Amino acid sequence: GAGVSQSPSNKVTEKGKDVELRCDPISGHTALYWYRQSLGQGLEFLIYFQGNSAPDKSGLPSDRFSAERTGGSVSTLTIQRTQQEDSAVYLCASSLAGEVVYGYTFGSGTRLTVV
Amino acid sequence: AQSVTQLDSQVPVFEEAPVELRCNYSSSVSVYLFWYVQYPNQGLQLLLKYLSGSTLVKGINGFEAEFNKSQTSFHLRKPSVHISDTAEYFCAVSRPGAGSYQLTFGKGTKLSVIP
Repeated sequence: GAGVSQSPSNKVTEKGKDVELRCDPISGHTALYWYRQSLGQGLEFLIYFQGNSAPDKSGLPSDRFSAERTGGSVSTLTIQRTQQEDSAVYLCASSLAGEVVYGYTFGSGTRLTVV
Repeated sequence: AQSVTQLDSQVPVFEEAPVELRCNYSSSVSVYLFWYVQYPNQGLQLLLKYLSGSTLVKGINGFEAEFNKSQTSFHLRKPSVHISDTAEYFCAVSRPGAGSYQLTFGKGTKLSVIP
């Protein structure tokens, strides 16, 4: 596609429920990133996928968070047993290769609200 | 480890006035530096980047930034702002070299242009 597509754009869920956030990167981009944007906290790195390499999961805040990337394209971020502190905007980005010099293209994000 | 400090969380400025958004970074090695802009309900868009060479970097929408190694700063400037520049601006840093894929972001500066 022309840009990075994320769905849903907004998600309200009850505490304790599981949620899945989807990211469809730009066609041909081998690198995919998830970031979390909390109010007043800037962007926090969550996870990085590059081609068929093992993902860098070092930013995932707890074992309730997981992500996968199928076929080197679409990625799903799953949050199990959601907590109120998980409320944030989750941003996905992709790039041509796994280096920042190529520039990230960000999606519009999924705003998650846990009530 | 790298870190980024954006000294002002909010900057109000009158239309057609100049603006400077401040960014300082902390790193023991050389760095790549970036400025991103986020318009309401949108993802982040790259404004400009410093990788090497000239310390004055020009970006889109009339913005420029100057890399100052001795002061570890990368301030963003525009000589005359427009209403359409109202947005949140993020400074980011990365370690150069092969495999450098992770950006560390500041907490952002909200620029409000007053008519």
